[in-house]
Amino acid sequence: GAVVSQHPSRVICKSGTSVKIECRSLDFQATTMFWYRQFPKKSLMLMATSNEGSKATYEQGVEKDKFLINHASLTLSTLTVTSAHPEDSSFYICSASGLSSYEQYFGPGTRLTVT
Amino acid sequence: AQSVAQPEDQVNVAEGNPLTVKCTYSVSGNPYLFWYVQYPNRGLQFLLKYITGDNLVKGSYGFEAEFNKSQTSFHLKKPSALVSDSALYFCAVRDSDRGSTLGRLYFGRGTQLTVWP
Repeated sequence: GAVVSQHPSRVICKSGTSVKIECRSLDFQATTMFWYRQFPKKSLMLMATSNEGSKATYEQGVEKDKFLINHASLTLSTLTVTSAHPEDSSFYICSASGLSSYEQYFGPGTRLTVT
Repeated sequence: AQSVAQPEDQVNVAEGNPLTVKCTYSVSGNPYLFWYVQYPNRGLQFLLKYITGDNLVKGSYGFEAEFNKSQTSFHLKKPSALVSDSALYFCAVRDSDRGSTLGRLYFGRGTQLTVWP
C-alpha cells in the first residue's frame, strides 16, 4: 500500500521559535496533501488542504501566517509552525491523496511540544 | 453538508465476543465511506472502505462494515474481538463529487474500543 512518512516524529522547541514538519509520499505522487491537528483523545481537525504548486486552502479559524504550508513537489509538503507557543503543542498528522485514489494515506504523526 | 456521527465515545467488549462500532453519515451526494484505526501516538491506519458495489465490505484484521443506505449507516463489525483490537476507531465520509470538496474527509469524533481478556 501507499506509504506516507513524517519527520520528525517528535520535536520539542522553545516558545517563540519556528519548527518545520515534513510530510512525504514515498511510493506515489500526492496531488493533494492534508494537514490535521489532533488533541488528546479527540478527533482530527483539518487545518488545511494543499495541492502541488498552488497555495494551501486553510480551514476557518486557522491562521495562515502562523501555520505555513508549502507543497512544492508531488512527494513533499511541509508545515511550519512560526513563533510557536505552548498552546500550539499538539499531535500533527498529514495525509496524502493521489489523482486516481479515493482514499487518503496518513503519516505516522508528529508530536510537537512547545516549552 | 457532509458529517459523520459516532454516537459512542467508548465501546467495551470481552475478548472472543462480537463487536460493533456505530457510524452514521450525512452527505449531499453518494458517499464514500471509510474506517480508520489509531493506536496511541500513531497516525491513522486504513481498515476498509465503501465506494460502490456490495454493501458488506471486508477489510483488514478481520473487520467488516455494512453500508446501509436507508439508515445512512456504516457500522464496523468483527465476529470475535481480540485484546489487540483495543484502539481508537474513526469513521469518515467523503462526497463522491471530488471536485467540490477537494477530496477532503469528514471524520467522526472517534470511538475508543477496549477489549478485555
